[in-house]
Amino acid sequence: KNEVEQSPQNLTAQEGEFITINCSYSVGISALHWLQQHPGGGIVSLFMLSSGKKKHGRLIATINIQEKHSSLHITASHPRDSAVYICAVPTGANNLFFGTGTRLTVIP
Amino acid sequence: EAQVTQNPRYLITVTGKKLTVTCSQNMNHEYMSWYRQDPGLGLRQIYYSMNVEVTDKGDVPEGYKVSRKEKRNFPLILESPSPNQTSLYFCASSLGAGEWQYFGPGTRLTVT
Repeated sequence: KNEVEQSPQNLTAQEGEFITINCSYSVGISALHWLQQHPGGGIVSLFMLSSGKKKHGRLIATINIQEKHSSLHITASHPRDSAVYICAVPTGANNLFFGTGTRLTVIP
Repeated sequence: EAQVTQNPRYLITVTGKKLTVTCSQNMNHEYMSWYRQDPGLGLRQIYYSMNVEVTDKGDVPEGYKVSRKEKRNFPLILESPSPNQTSLYFCASSLGAGEWQYFGPGTRLTVT
């Protein structure tokens, strides 16, 4: 079974700072997911990637398959980026294993 | 608009009173799943369904039932809820198990 470790667990940043959230996993995978959980509880998918880098607005996700590591970067952070960021990897053929998340707070 | 809906959003009930949380998606997805989220723990899968009439247990299925009679609907049934089922529940759908996930808004359940 795949294990997922996210770091840091909590992160506080000033508005405008560059932010990095890390995710490490133990077993080889076909793709990794990054999700965002809003303070109100809703969850949205941000990225699904199997190699290299993907960018969406101020968010960038990278993955190194050999090192079993992925990072989520936020450039020019804003208070509206405050959320819990969760990475998830496949486990077996039929489901995903989710990390416990990184709680990000961006202060104006 | 592509979406997954869940109802109710909030529910307070008493031990032993059967309840159903509905989940519906409008994207013609084959794969649907139920998760629970508890403080300090990641989302844990309760049940999943690969297609109509095909369901299987996830990591924490005890005390739950599901059915998949139509492609769009995947209700979660608690036959005899207990306080340890107090949690935040999410339904999700996708084209396949490891594909892009679409989540419902969540159902916050309290069992007293």
